[in-house]
Amino acid sequence: KAGVTQTPRYLIKTRGQQVTLSCSPISGHRSVSWYQQTPGQGLQFLFEYFSETQRNKGNFPGRFSGRQFSNSRSEMNVSTLELGDSALYLCASSLDGGHFEAFFGQGTRLTVV
Amino acid sequence: ILNVEQSPQSLHVQEGDSTNFTCSFPSSNFYALHWYRWETAKSPEALFVMTLNGDEKKKGRISATLNTKEGYSYLYIKGSQPEDSATYLCAFSPAGAGSYQLTFGKGTKLSVIP
Repeated sequence: KAGVTQTPRYLIKTRGQQVTLSCSPISGHRSVSWYQQTPGQGLQFLFEYFSETQRNKGNFPGRFSGRQFSNSRSEMNVSTLELGDSALYLCASSLDGGHFEAFFGQGTRLTVV
Repeated sequence: ILNVEQSPQSLHVQEGDSTNFTCSFPSSNFYALHWYRWETAKSPEALFVMTLNGDEKKKGRISATLNTKEGYSYLYIKGSQPEDSATYLCAFSPAGAGSYQLTFGKGTKLSVIP
């Protein structure tokens, strides 16, 4: 059974640009969550999607957005990149959110210069 | 804002030692408590999902207990091995509208010295 796939693995962007990250969940998983990890911080929740609907959103500015497609694949977009957006972005899929174990991808390492 | 605290931040133990870590979370509005192991250069991997007060889970040499009334969970590793070296994360899920959101602690970094 294929795991959670995130693309790209590494990305370097310039301040002010925008970026789109992709996540393909485990087959049959309809819940996809996104997390940000910066040095010294734990995993910070960005948002969660289920069947193309955003059910929960973390405390991040509107520059961070996401969506989910009918095949459960998800994308997150960050517009007007800032240096502080440099981080590891992880996505996780599960059958249906908080009661079920989450399966994580290997992450996208974003560097903003 | 939900607060999930883990202690200690880091731990060095000798191979063969047993060890334990603590996760503290809000005692009200509980839905689930997760434990994950995160090895360097890999993805976080689920160890346990616990939902009932008094739950005890075990996987090999690793076990966990849950006290929802007082808001804490313990993770135990018996006879630590070098391959247990990793960061151990706990995550809390509240009941209600936020139940699909996991709030993570900052983790306990375990180093097992051969």
